[in-house]
Amino acid sequence: SQQGEEDPQALSIQEGENATMNCSYKTSINNLQWYRQNSGRGLVHLILIRSNEREKHSGRLRVTLDTSKKSSSLLITASRAADTASYFCATGERASGTYKYIFGTGTRLKVLA
Amino acid sequence: DTEVTQTPKHLVMGMTNKKSLKCEQHMGHRAMYWYKQKAKKPPELMFVYSYEKLSINESVPSRFSPECPNSSLLNLHLHALQPEDSALYLCASRPIGGSNEKLFFGSGTQLSVL
Repeated sequence: SQQGEEDPQALSIQEGENATMNCSYKTSINNLQWYRQNSGRGLVHLILIRSNEREKHSGRLRVTLDTSKKSSSLLITASRAADTASYFCATGERASGTYKYIFGTGTRLKVLA
Repeated sequence: DTEVTQTPKHLVMGMTNKKSLKCEQHMGHRAMYWYKQKAKKPPELMFVYSYEKLSINESVPSRFSPECPNSSLLNLHLHALQPEDSALYLCASRPIGGSNEKLFFGSGTQLSVL
């Protein structure tokens, strides 16, 4: 499976600042999703954006998608110490009559109190 | 019930052992997934089941054998593993149909192969 690339690999910011993470992918997609993972445990879904959408908001999260550049960004506004986690993008691709979800390399975010 | 439950949470096994990982969900999801994740790496897709049938095998070695005995249960049978197979194994599920395609993940099984 070809993974997407995310940058930065790691990001350290102060509480209250905004955090931006970028994801690039290689194949045609149906949708792109962002997930959060705390301490190497299960992933939690944050937001999904479809291939025909350009921007989506959910609370303090803003996601953009540029299918011509095969890239997406996740913005977390007014960050909190509790936002400290790894963030992954995942592309949903139709395959063998179902969907496979391929994860990007991830961004490790640390929010300092 | 919106949980995916994985057992055991931790497993240590020798290279000659046979063990199984279990994943259970009662959300009526008919697509289920196994992922493998090494430390500081993204989850890597292993298998996808759709309506209890294996739809996708991402060229996983035969020492990993998945099984989906019913719509709520997904197993991963392990045999003759190598130390490099040590990783976090994650199960996920999602509903089929409709517009909601997000994955629901379990908290994983941390596997150590000695």
